[in-house]
Amino acid sequence: AQRVTQPEKLLSVFKGAPVELKCNYSYSGSPELFWYVQYSRQRLQLLLRHISRESIKGFTADLNKGETSFHLKKPFAQEEDSAMYYCALTSASGSRLTFGEGTQLTVNP
Amino acid sequence: SAVISQKPSRDICQRGTSLTIQCQVDSQVTMMFWYRQQPGQSLTLIATANQGSEATYESGFVIDKFPISRPNLTFSTLTVSNMSPEDSSIYLCSVGLGGVNEQFFGPGTRLTVL
Repeated sequence: AQRVTQPEKLLSVFKGAPVELKCNYSYSGSPELFWYVQYSRQRLQLLLRHISRESIKGFTADLNKGETSFHLKKPFAQEEDSAMYYCALTSASGSRLTFGEGTQLTVNP
Repeated sequence: SAVISQKPSRDICQRGTSLTIQCQVDSQVTMMFWYRQQPGQSLTLIATANQGSEATYESGFVIDKFPISRPNLTFSTLTVSNMSPEDSSIYLCSVGLGGVNEQFFGPGTRLTVL
């Protein structure tokens, strides 16, 4: 069974501080990992995925298969980063997404 | 990418009634998904609805309670049947684009059952 765990429901940082949102997963295969974000009053949207190895809005995430983690990081948080962040997993061949519980990030001025 | 709309955006219903939620996509897609997001919780997949085949339901969800239609490649409906207050949730549809596992989500339907 596939499972995604986000240990922090709430995370609060100050503007300009580094931020790390934790995500751990369990999956007996080669997963694809994603980070989705939901800003206030907006729909859920894809932030980034591990396959792309890209940085979006200053965020990066590295898949660590040894630690089964896919933590989301940004060196300098901005107030507009305040949102709900969901880590999600799917198998490499399928499209069934399993979501973590979500982390509400608040960036204070 | 894909642009997805849902109707209604929200509704308040009486227990024992049924509500049908519509999901419209601006392009033809093979895979469509229905999720439920209960208050304060994450998204849970209800079923996968591929055109031309019966919907595939996840554990804990049954067709009698959540019948799904997928008449063509741009449209799907989810019905929440015989509602109870426990069905109060946000219901979201999403689509998967061929060749990639990325999903695009609709705005959601906020359902309150009294």
